[in-house]
Amino acid sequence: QQQVKQSPQSLIVQKGGISIINCAYENTAFDYFPWYQQFPGKGPALLIAIRPDVSEKKEGRFTISFNKSAKQFSLHIMDSQPGDSATYFCAASSNEAAGNKLTFGGGTRVLVKP
Amino acid sequence: AAGVIQSPRHLIKEKRETATLKCYPIPRHDTVYWYQQGPGQDPQFLISFYEKMQSDKGSIPDRFSAQQFSDYHSELNMSSLELGDSALYFCASSLTGGEGYTFGSGTRLTVV
Repeated sequence: QQQVKQSPQSLIVQKGGISIINCAYENTAFDYFPWYQQFPGKGPALLIAIRPDVSEKKEGRFTISFNKSAKQFSLHIMDSQPGDSATYFCAASSNEAAGNKLTFGGGTRVLVKP
Repeated sequence: AAGVIQSPRHLIKEKRETATLKCYPIPRHDTVYWYQQGPGQDPQFLISFYEKMQSDKGSIPDRFSAQQFSDYHSELNMSSLELGDSALYFCASSLTGGEGYTFGSGTRLTVV
């Protein structure tokens, strides 16, 4: 049973368009929600993260929206560029204990058409 | 800035052989994690260490073991390798109370 569900699996967007990726989680103990960007053959790189005490966080062209009651969060990539073409993973973890592992969503492969 | 260093980058082993993957976390990070990522899959948590003690265990086969040494580097030992063990293996490190994990570039293991 996947604790973090991510959609869509893949996304094609025109250059300059908005990429939207959605995630939903089950475990209410999760209190840290990062997004990672991964290029082929590379390790995931932290893009942006949010905690449940805020509903939105923006860093440059990347925005996380968080809905605690619905247990959902999403990533918006504004003004998408060909260099944004990558696989994006949402994740969640709990800070209850040290060594808090990340539970990843299934990933979304984003292709930005020039 | 120093990153998480993994070695080797690529490894080819035959079935039933043994492999050892190494990870050097970011200095002063107190937690190390190992993840396995199959082709087209999301990373799956294997095991973690906090201050050299095993802190959590995920879907790690009994054929695999890991440890963290006094210098904080970690090794993932994989024995009786199977074809299905072919994957990217990532190490990540973090600092308790900080934010975000930093992943290494991974070791691509191919079992033939």
